Amino acid sequence: GENVEQHPSTLSVQEGDSAVIKCTYSDSASNYFPWYKQELGKGPQLIIDIRSNVGEKKDQRIAVTLNKTAKHFSLHITETQPEDSAVYFCAAMGTSYDKVIFGPGTSLSVIP
Amino acid sequence: DADVTQTPRNRITKTGKRIMLECSQTKGHDRMYWYRQDPGLGLRLIYYSFDVKDINKGEISDGYSVSRQAQAKFSLSLESAIPNQTALYFCATSDFGGRGNNEQFFGPGTRLTVL
Repeated sequence: GENVEQHPSTLSVQEGDSAVIKCTYSDSASNYFPWYKQELGKGPQLIIDIRSNVGEKKDQRIAVTLNKTAKHFSLHITETQPEDSAVYFCAAMGTSYDKVIFGPGTSLSVIP
Repeated sequence: DADVTQTPRNRITKTGKRIMLECSQTKGHDRMYWYRQDPGLGLRLIYYSFDVKDINKGEISDGYSVSRQAQAKFSLSLESAIPNQTALYFCATSDFGGRGNNEQFFGPGTRLTVL
């Protein structure tokens, strides 16, 4: 089955700097890659996603890149702010569109 | 009001007790999921359901059972709780998959402690 790895597990950056989180997946048939943000005491919430026919997608300060050949994808957050502090999960979904496999998460701390 | 609600929000119980966690949604979605979150392990799928008559096992279904009472309700049961089931449990819903919207909407979570 699908396996999703995520690095780093923890990340601290100064406010205003960029943050990058990287993920790899094992199933070459996967074609949908969402990213979720979990704030303290809350459930995860989708922040951006990308499909396999696209190499990059941006939404204001966040962007996601996908390299299908290498089977890895990354989340980029620019001009980080304290409210970006949270746990971020990458995930992958296959062509059966039945379930999503999540990575282990990255705890991001933005230091004011 | 929240679209996905979970009850209880916190529960402490003893080894061997039967526990039920409940999930309700007002989003009108057919698909519902139960996940378990442990530090360093992310979100692992326990069970999922695509409609009232369709129940599927996830990655870690042993020791758990589910019931889909209606489109809007999906409950998770631990028949005989054990300490390593101590975790944060999330319910989620989504619309039909395929090339459309695959976003999952999560509830606020239930923190379960088994002593």
